[in-house]
Amino acid sequence: GENVEQHPSTLSVQEGDSAVIKCTYSDSASNYFPWYKQELGKGPQLIIDIRSNVGEKKDQRIAVTLNKTAKHFSLHITETQPEDSAVYFCAAIPASNSGGGADGLTFGKGTHLIIQP
Amino acid sequence: ETGVTQTPRHLVMGMTNKKSLKCEQHLGHNAMYWYKQSAKKPLELMFVYNFKEQTENNSVPSRFSPECPNSSHLFLHLHTLQPEDSALYLCASSQDSNRDYFSYEQYFGPGTRLTVT
Repeated sequence: GENVEQHPSTLSVQEGDSAVIKCTYSDSASNYFPWYKQELGKGPQLIIDIRSNVGEKKDQRIAVTLNKTAKHFSLHITETQPEDSAVYFCAAIPASNSGGGADGLTFGKGTHLIIQP
Repeated sequence: ETGVTQTPRHLVMGMTNKKSLKCEQHLGHNAMYWYKQSAKKPLELMFVYNFKEQTENNSVPSRFSPECPNSSHLFLHLHTLQPEDSALYLCASSQDSNRDYFSYEQYFGPGTRLTVT
């Protein structure tokens, strides 16, 4: 099955600096890679995602890059702000032999991002 | 109500109790999921329902019993749980992941914090 590794487990950056979180996956047939942000007491919130047919996607201060050959994808947050402090999870949907239908996500262990004022 | 809601938000139960967790989605989706989030571990997929039919059971012990009466509601029935089952149980929903349209986005509820004593 799919295995997703996420690094680092904790990342502390100064407000205004950039933060980068990296993930690798094992199933070369995986084709969808979302990133979630989870604040204390809340469920994970989808912040950005990328499909396997593109290499980069950007949404304001957040960007995600995908390297299919190396099987890794990264989250980039620029001009970090205190409200960016949270736990971030990467995930992948592994290939399914079912021919369609809903697929569960395989998650990384999460990165606790701390924005220092 | 909007998005994905879960009740109760907190639950404390003894090992001999029987309880149920409820999830409701107001997004018009037709796939629903249960995930377990334990400390220091990645989110773990438990069950997947697509159009009310269970399409995946990720080797979950029989003391967890899901029920999906319609596309908007999902239950997790609990009985004879163990202390190690204490965790945050998250429900999610998505549109059917028709591979031609890559509709994979999953939206999570706030979770039920379960403590087994």
